[in-house]
Amino acid sequence: SQQGEEDPQALSIQEGENATMNCSYKTSINNLQWYRQNSGRGLVHLILIRSNEREKHSGRLRVTLDTSKKSSSLLITASRAADTASYFCATDANNAGNMLTFGGGTRLMVKP
Amino acid sequence: DVKVTQSSRYLVKRTGEKVFLECVQDMDHENMFWYRQDPGLGLRLIYFSYDVKMKEKGDIPEGYSVSREKKERFSLILESASTNQTSMYLCASGIGTGATGELFFGEGSRLTVL
Repeated sequence: SQQGEEDPQALSIQEGENATMNCSYKTSINNLQWYRQNSGRGLVHLILIRSNEREKHSGRLRVTLDTSKKSSSLLITASRAADTASYFCATDANNAGNMLTFGGGTRLMVKP
Repeated sequence: DVKVTQSSRYLVKRTGEKVFLECVQDMDHENMFWYRQDPGLGLRLIYFSYDVKMKEKGDIPEGYSVSREKKERFSLILESASTNQTSMYLCASGIGTGATGELFFGEGSRLTVL
């Protein structure tokens, strides 16, 4: 069963705009991670936020975590065509041992 | 650069064939994972291993087995391939003890079973 669910499933924006993707999960977590996947390739880790953190930044990426709502958001500012990819959240649930559970992903298209 | 290498990017097999998917990591990670990825279903965990010769079932282990004889290598085996095993297979490795950290993924192996 999927722990994380991304929203929206697909997002299309113009270059320069900001892109926001959301992730909701069901059970308490140790941490939440965001990954990126270019078409037909493997996943690449973007950022990890721990359950006791509320916000984290990495370059043009900003991740927030609200454990009371069991949700996270990924914001990509000043998007570029090269940001076109699928973005996945993954949770390390407290009762899941060494396993990460991935959501279904958001497909982001950034139009030049 | 850290690296997870999957032996084949594309494979085409026939129903009933035995299929081996190999994965090697050069980061001395304890944990290794096999996921399959299908449209609309995201990534689903098939098996994982937290040490040599150790393995644990994930969410969808049926029809698969794994082998971890050496720390750097984790193999996924389809004993008798079926058409519903046509998918993208992703191998990953990570350190994770308790709180799982970052996973490093290979480029994926796209398997088609005819």
